Amino acid sequence: GDSVTQTEGLVTLTKGLPVMLNCTYQTTYSPFLFWYVQHLNEAPKLLLKSSTDNKRTEHQGFYATLHKSSSSFHLQKSSVQLSDSALYFCALIEGGQGTGSKLSFGKGAKLTVSP
Amino acid sequence: EAAVTQSPRSKVAVTGGKVTLSCHQTNNHDYMYWYRQDTGHGLRLIHYSYVADSTEKGDIPDGYKASRPSQENFSLILELASLSQTAVYFCASSDWGGGEQYFGPGTRLTVL
Repeated sequence: GDSVTQTEGLVTLTKGLPVMLNCTYQTTYSPFLFWYVQHLNEAPKLLLKSSTDNKRTEHQGFYATLHKSSSSFHLQKSSVQLSDSALYFCALIEGGQGTGSKLSFGKGAKLTVSP
Repeated sequence: EAAVTQSPRSKVAVTGGKVTLSCHQTNNHDYMYWYRQDTGHGLRLIHYSYVADSTEKGDIPDGYKASRPSQENFSLILELASLSQTAVYFCASSDWGGGEQYFGPGTRLTVL
């Protein structure tokens, strides 16, 4: 079935360094991928989304490119800030765009940025 | 902005008791979802619905029932609460099955 595998567990970085959180997926449908971010004691909210192959999408300094050839949608930022400390989830529409009814979420990566 | 509210925001229940978690959305969305979040497991889908008076099982439906009496409201029911159901529960809505999901603030449930 459709699934997502992402960087899991704790990722600790010093402010100003770059970050990449990996996300790969499996689906037989046309892929539609998301990154959600959840700050401490808050609800998850959408950070990025894409269904276009090889097109970079950006928001709030984060960016990701969907690569169908490698089934990947890695999240990157060139210089992390203290406020980027949060949980990050990669998600995939199960059943593809247009026919899907729910998302498959990865287990999440907790990014902690230190001064 | 999309609005999803949940009640209660936190609850302590006894083992074997009945618990009802409520969710209300004002987004005019067709799809609504219930997730639970546990450390190390991310977000796991319990039940979802795409039309009033109909619900679908998610990935971990055992021990939970759901009710969608109207487009705006979606409840999660634990008929016999167990210790293993201690978690944070999130409700979400979207305008279509693959659309952006808007999450409520969550309900922290502790079963003792």
